[in-house]
Order: sequence, then C-alpha cells, then structure tokens
Amino acid sequence: AQTVTQSQPEMSVQEAETVTLSCTYDTSESDYYLFWYKQPPSRQMILVIRQEAYKQQNATENRFSVNFQKAAKSFSLKISDSQLGDAAMYFCALLVSNSGYALNFGKGTSLLVTP
Amino acid sequence: DTAVSQTPKYLVTQMGNDKSIKCEQNLGHDTMYWYKQDSKKFLKIMFSYNNKELIINETVPNRFSPKSPDKAHLNLHINSLELGDSAVYFCASSPSGQNTEAFFGQGTRLTVV
Repeated sequence: AQTVTQSQPEMSVQEAETVTLSCTYDTSESDYYLFWYKQPPSRQMILVIRQEAYKQQNATENRFSVNFQKAAKSFSLKISDSQLGDAAMYFCALLVSNSGYALNFGKGTSLLVTP
Repeated sequence: DTAVSQTPKYLVTQMGNDKSIKCEQNLGHDTMYWYKQDSKKFLKIMFSYNNKELIINETVPNRFSPKSPDKAHLNLHINSLELGDSAVYFCASSPSGQNTEAFFGQGTRLTVV
C-alpha cells in the first residue's frame, strides 16, 4: 500500500518570503513519481512540479523547487519569492507502477500568503 | 479550448435521486479517472479506465457506475443518492505510462439535500 503524509494542515508566509511545505511518502516500489498540485479557490487542480524517483537531481520550475530525499522518503516543496497568487491548497501526490496510473494524494496543506 | 471538461459544475439534488456527471477530454489521452474530494479536501481515486476498460475500481458503493462510451469520455452515474455522497467529483485524464501528470477537470460540486 502507498501512503502520502502532509503533516502541516496550514502554513502562512509573507509576500516575497520563502516557505517550505513538507511531504513524506511510503511505498515498496522502486519505480514511482511524485507531484505537487495546487488547488486555488477556483477548485482547479494545477500541476506545480514533478519528480521522477530515478532522478537524483531535484526538480525546479521557476520559483518552485523540491527537496527530494529518496532514502528518507521525503519530498518537500519550496516556494521562493511568494506571491499573493500562491495562496491555495497544495497536495503532494505519489504515482507508482502498479497503481493503474492513479495518484495517491496527501491531505493537503493550506497556504496563506499575507501582504 | 478546455482540455478536460465536466458538466455540470454544480449539482443540487434530493436524496434518492439518480444523477449523472459527464466528462470529456480532447487531449487524446488513453486513461481517464474519477476522483472524489470530500468536505475535508481529501482526494481519493474512485475509478480508472484505460482504453475504455476498467482498470481500477476502488471500494465505492455499487450505486456509483462509471461508463466509458469511447476513449474521450468517462461519465459517472450515481443511483439512489445519499447525503454522504455530497462532495466534489473530479474527472482527470493522462496518457498511458507513468511519467506524466494527470490533467484535471474543474470538478463538479454535488450537494445532496
């Protein structure tokens, strides 16, 4: 069985500052992928960043980067230079080889960005 | 053009009714899904179809029946609606293979009264 744990129900950051959202996961599979999705109040699920487990290099997308620690099964998301538009629910998700391509989601972290 | 579209966006209905949510994707993907997001925002897979064939059927009541008439469509029919069915239902799609993310529709907020 696969599990994804997000231990921070809520986080707050000031505009222009940096925030890190935590995620840990558990799987016995060696071939898997990790994602961070953003869900703003509009409800739309938006992919933020993707990491292949076989890649040692941490993924980066503009102001978003991850710290992927495979041995520790940790996959945190760092948002730099936070903007008001970053306020949303953030979900960590795991995709494993025998899951029928379905995503296993964490419970989410609600990010508040203050001016 | 909307990549994954669901209709309706909002659905309010009485207990005991039967309702359907439609989903269409124009991305040419082979795999489509239904996810349920409960009141606490937790997202969980319900069904997954690959090339019109069911490949995942999580533990959901058999009142929920997905139907895939073709690769581009995956509809969700719900019989005898209950209060606990109130949630947001997301349709999603992805190409076959693991190294790609799923593309989500905008969700359907179902309220059973």
